[in-house]
Amino acid sequence: ETGVTQTPRHLVMGMTNKKSLKCEQHLGHNAMYWYKQSAKKPLELMFVYSLEERVENNSVPSRFSPECPNSSHLFLHLHTLQPEDSALYLCASSQATTGSEQFFGPGTRLTVL
Amino acid sequence: TQLLEQSPQFLSIQEGENLTVYCNSSSVFSSLQWYRQEPGEGPVLLVTVVTGGEVKKLKRLTFQFGDARKDSSLHITAAQPGDTGLYLCAGVNFNKFYFGSGTKLNVKP
Repeated sequence: ETGVTQTPRHLVMGMTNKKSLKCEQHLGHNAMYWYKQSAKKPLELMFVYSLEERVENNSVPSRFSPECPNSSHLFLHLHTLQPEDSALYLCASSQATTGSEQFFGPGTRLTVL
Repeated sequence: TQLLEQSPQFLSIQEGENLTVYCNSSSVFSSLQWYRQEPGEGPVLLVTVVTGGEVKKLKRLTFQFGDARKDSSLHITAAQPGDTGLYLCAGVNFNKFYFGSGTKLNVKP
């Protein structure tokens, strides 16, 4: 595997379910990101991790819980989501958090029923 | 919040036509990046512009950063169906990325 991979690619869940999104980067980068992409809206930065430490949390509801066990893996744990949380969730990585190029995964298309 | 507005939101053209998309803001950015996102994929970086007035060319794509580093344009010459996708601009300031909502381009054969 090369680049940034995300699983699952598609996820349908009810509002009472608990699920997790997984991201893995094979680029040796030190920073990883979660973004939310909704139709007709700008990409929304959710979380930033640098060297496995969370460095940014943009007022994201607590029903989204990130986890970064090492510099190659990033998770987004989901519980009691709302239908408006349906979106494409993109993971990205970069060498550092200093404005360098971000490499994106293909995303997880999430639908909350 | 440092907003980036992209125009047009949607553009559908015939193969061979030229087009320009715009990315505007009232904020100054230290650099600006353009990404292309194809259906079912994540965005892929096309270019980074850093200096006010800078022009960069990538084959049939020409990118310009405004003199005041508040805006940018992307011009495509002789568009091809392979250019179809969502074009996103992202302004960078203090190591933070601010994305526009994108221009969705469809090039018909």
